[in-house]
Amino acid sequence: DTAVSQTPKYLVTQMGNDKSIKCEQNLGHDTMYWYKQDSKKFLKIMFSYNNKELIINETVPNRFSPKSPDKAHLNLHINSLELGDSAVYFCASSQDGNTEAFFGQGTRLTVV
Amino acid sequence: AQSVTQPDIHITVSEGASLELRCNYSYGATPYLFWYVQSPGQGLQLLLKYFSGDTLVQGIKGFEAEFKRSQSSFNLRKPSVHWSDAAEYFCAVGRVNRDDKIIFGKGTRLHILP
Repeated sequence: DTAVSQTPKYLVTQMGNDKSIKCEQNLGHDTMYWYKQDSKKFLKIMFSYNNKELIINETVPNRFSPKSPDKAHLNLHINSLELGDSAVYFCASSQDGNTEAFFGQGTRLTVV
Repeated sequence: AQSVTQPDIHITVSEGASLELRCNYSYGATPYLFWYVQSPGQGLQLLLKYFSGDTLVQGIKGFEAEFKRSQSSFNLRKPSVHWSDAAEYFCAVGRVNRDDKIIFGKGTRLHILP
């Protein structure tokens, strides 16, 4: 059983398209996150949700919109994709926001 | 503001040698501290964590880390590395207060010489 699962694992798309990445966790955690890892491996938090409530919203273009239909799911929708959006996006979850995060395998997004 | 510094971008050690990866943090109180490992093409896996109590923390895969408040450090150590330890290692500061953020260091890439 995969604890935090993301789909798709790879996503290649053209500039200007709209795409979504899905994330689900079966750990019963209350908090979920989206992180972006750039080509230099730098990890930066984008969003954090706790029980479907947005807690952290870093300085991210408003083309990125997270959606949490329930506390086990946190999807990321990206509008009007740009070349600079190419990165690996990680979903993660933690019990209550203070404890360790469990990460998905990542989604490698390539915008061409 | 919280911050995490991993001073070494790359470290190369020989297989069987000891390892120490450095991590320094900035936080107003005692933070929650973590070390994660990322193998190529994989997600991050937790190696160990420190919340409170004993300052020497044991983790998986033979790793340990020591919290030193006076030095604001949380260095990761392993007495004898294996070729499979080659990976990217991230130190992270966790949230103590609701408005804090989980901050990751920029990572240290570990290379193992045969």
